[in-house]
Amino acid sequence: GQQLNQSPQSMFIQEGEDVSMNCTSSSIFNTWLWYKQDPGEGPVLLIALYKAGELTSNGRLTAQFGITRKDSFLNISASIPSDVGIYFCAGQWSQGNLIFGKGTKLSVKP
Amino acid sequence: EAGVAQSPRYKIIEKRQSVAFWCNPISGHATLYWYQQILGQGPKLLIQFQNNGVVDDSQLPKDRFSAERLKGVDSTLKIQPAKLEDSAVYLCASSLVFGRGPETQYFGPGTRLLVL
Repeated sequence: GQQLNQSPQSMFIQEGEDVSMNCTSSSIFNTWLWYKQDPGEGPVLLIALYKAGELTSNGRLTAQFGITRKDSFLNISASIPSDVGIYFCAGQWSQGNLIFGKGTKLSVKP
Repeated sequence: EAGVAQSPRYKIIEKRQSVAFWCNPISGHATLYWYQQILGQGPKLLIQFQNNGVVDDSQLPKDRFSAERLKGVDSTLKIQPAKLEDSAVYLCASSLVFGRGPETQYFGPGTRLLVL
């Protein structure tokens, strides 16, 4: 099945650094979402984007819906240890089925 | 508000055996989804229910997988017989409505299946 291209696959950062990850698709989407998944848990929604060009923040997280509707990025500012986890982007057409990326594994050096 | 509940949390079976997973969505959520998440990948939709009717089961391997949501609330996902490649986390998600634009999907903790 179709999956999104998410990069980087993994990253190690120092606490306090900013983080950036992105997602691209060959297809357009009407909605882009960013989830975080902790070990042994299901994905938790961080940010949802509904309009091309939209820039949305949630605390230290900022995400943008690309103008072409085929890409999105997520930034985390001033990372802390609890940011560790796997971040997934997901695209959605009108409703229902989410198409997920393969995830970006974030590890923070204390 | 209680989240999506799933059981069991872990299951180990041998290939060719049968297994069933249970999901209880958030109260009042009409739409229920089952996703399969293979290690190192993002979740992939298996089946979507609206109340007790199937909306999308195009990616469900119907020769061995089945799912039902008889009363429009709880759901079960069954694999019979299991293969080694079915080892994965099976996630259940629910959302409030379907057909009125984007709706946030809330995920349960998942059932981790290992087929030996």
